[in-house]
Amino acid sequence: GAVVSQHPSRVICKSGTSVKIECRSLDFQATTMFWYRQFPKQSLMLMATSNEGSKATYEQGVEKDKFLINHASLTLSTLTVTSAHPEDSSFYICSARLDGGAAGELFFGEGSRLTVL
Amino acid sequence: EDKVVQSPLSLVVHEGDTVTLNCSYEVTNFRSLLWYKQEKKAPTFLFMLTSSGIEKKSGRLSSILDKKELFSILNITATQTGDSAIYLCAGTPFGNEKLTFGTGTRLTIIP
Repeated sequence: GAVVSQHPSRVICKSGTSVKIECRSLDFQATTMFWYRQFPKQSLMLMATSNEGSKATYEQGVEKDKFLINHASLTLSTLTVTSAHPEDSSFYICSARLDGGAAGELFFGEGSRLTVL
Repeated sequence: EDKVVQSPLSLVVHEGDTVTLNCSYEVTNFRSLLWYKQEKKAPTFLFMLTSSGIEKKSGRLSSILDKKELFSILNITATQTGDSAIYLCAGTPFGNEKLTFGTGTRLTIIP
């Protein structure tokens, strides 16, 4: 099946630093990828939709200048958390839609746990 | 605002029991309801339901959608310890791929 790789799986950083998380579709092309955030015991919340070659679409309440998304190729999207603060500590997970695949069938990365000290 | 509610929030049963997980949704311009299993990290796809009343099955798991009542259930028969996980449902509308997730049901199977 389609595989989505997310890296790093775990990152600890100091407050004020920036952290980049990569999401790669390993064996398929994905024009569209999605970034979610999941707080403990809560659901996956969509942050933004990442489209290859164009600007990401952010959900209401998500600061685009804080969560920079770049989708430079058909297999890679990156999320950069800029000037991270402790409240940004969370589990970030990406998903990718297989180009030409069934609508709604998404493949998820393994997630990245960010801890900001 | 779209909303998906799952119940129960958690469930503990013995191996061999049958469980039913519930999902109700309010999604504007609704297209599909999806079920995922999340063990330690990434959710894995289980079912996508688009039509009302048509049961989808995969081994011991089955699911059905009621578009009149805005409701779906996921059944697991003869549960095994490997079924222990968080089960997520999500609704998606026509026109985009946005998924609105429920909070999930944490299922624990006791040997």
